[in-house]
Amino acid sequence: QKEVEQNSGPLSVPEGAIASLNCTYSDRGSQSFFWYRQYSGKSPELIMFIYSNGDKEDGRFTAQLNKASQYVSLLIRDSQPSDSATYLCAVKESFTGNQFYFGTGTSLTVIP
Amino acid sequence: GAVVSQHPSWVICKSGTSVKIECRSLDFQATTMFWYRQFPKQSLMLMATSNEGSKATYEQGVEKDKFLINHASLTLSTLTVTSAHPEDSSFYICSARDPNRYGYTFGSGTRLTVV
Repeated sequence: QKEVEQNSGPLSVPEGAIASLNCTYSDRGSQSFFWYRQYSGKSPELIMFIYSNGDKEDGRFTAQLNKASQYVSLLIRDSQPSDSATYLCAVKESFTGNQFYFGTGTSLTVIP
Repeated sequence: GAVVSQHPSWVICKSGTSVKIECRSLDFQATTMFWYRQFPKQSLMLMATSNEGSKATYEQGVEKDKFLINHASLTLSTLTVTSAHPEDSSFYICSARDPNRYGYTFGSGTRLTVV
């Protein structure tokens, strides 16, 4: 059973702070990792993907991957109220395979 | 680019009737599309993988005869919920991958309510 685990939250941070979202996965063979943002009642939208150990930055977002620890995180700098949403971590088995495994999501609230 | 259109966005139907949901890739061809279901405050659960020109692959526990999938063209997959019951009420989402991009794009989702 492949598992992707996230703290469900809710996680609350003040506006302008750094929000840190964490995800662990059970399948050591997983190759690529995705962070999606989902607003209430809407479908998920891709924020970032990462497949190499280390950090990957895109604007205010930084994804961090540690395959040895089977851990991937998402940092949101200068958090804005519009960042309030549920963040889903998704793990893909291989570069060519299609199967995604989603975590249950972490609810983030940015307080103005 | 990489737009996936899903229709309808919401539907209310009576118990025992069937509902068809369409998923279209608007600016790319998708040989494979995916159908997910999401219950309130839960994550996305993959129901089936839709393959153009061949049978869909269903996940364990998903009834093939109840959730009919057709992928007749490279840009259209449909999910038909047959003989719907209140427990089928959920948020159904499709996704596809543009071969020229990394990552998967989701449709806007369909909120199904069976009364």
